[in-house]
Amino acid sequence: RKEVEQDPGPFNVPEGATVAFNCTYSNSASQSFFWYRQDCRKEPKLLMSVYSSGNEDGRFTAQLNRASQYISLLIRDSKLSDSATYLCVVNRGGGSYIPTFGRGTSLIVHP
Amino acid sequence: GAVVSQHPSRVICKSGTSVKIECRSLDFQATTMFWYRQFPKKSLMLMATSNEGSKATYEQGVEKDKFLINHASLTLSTLTVTSAHPEDSSFYICSARVGLEETQYFGPGTRLLVL
Repeated sequence: RKEVEQDPGPFNVPEGATVAFNCTYSNSASQSFFWYRQDCRKEPKLLMSVYSSGNEDGRFTAQLNRASQYISLLIRDSKLSDSATYLCVVNRGGGSYIPTFGRGTSLIVHP
Repeated sequence: GAVVSQHPSRVICKSGTSVKIECRSLDFQATTMFWYRQFPKKSLMLMATSNEGSKATYEQGVEKDKFLINHASLTLSTLTVTSAHPEDSSFYICSARVGLEETQYFGPGTRLLVL
């Protein structure tokens, strides 16, 4: 089993749709979780950290489920500009704190 | 916000030459810097973790003698691709992090093309 797994997609949705991505991780000792966004041929940019209590930033909501070892990202009211690859990042636990990236989920928002 | 720069942004070189890429944290001191490689339509692959003043820790399968990493200060790390070959052509990205559980901030990346 890979350390961090994501459905690569692509998710093809119309503007205004709500879309959700999941990401599973294998290391139960992991403590830090993040969602990054990467546009084509660009570097990843932090979208949001993921906290145990869940967190929301505008149209974006992130959730963490430690028992099932997955994190999720919900995007409401999708915009064309949300089209990108969304990367799940999990820091290895056990004192390592080395970030491990999922392969990313591609989102295409169309008019 | 935290800014990380990389230089050069793009480099084309002949096979057999060495290429040095610089990664700088501009407005913060980074205890850790990471070097990644990304092939087209693939995920980021961590190559090594670099801590200031100590030797880099390389991921399995990454040749430390080919990818030389130096982290001389809290704001600068360099990656040197020695004796580059066409298969080394890739997008190399660095990131910098302040604390263990903090987020990492990415540089804009360096596109390397080896002819």
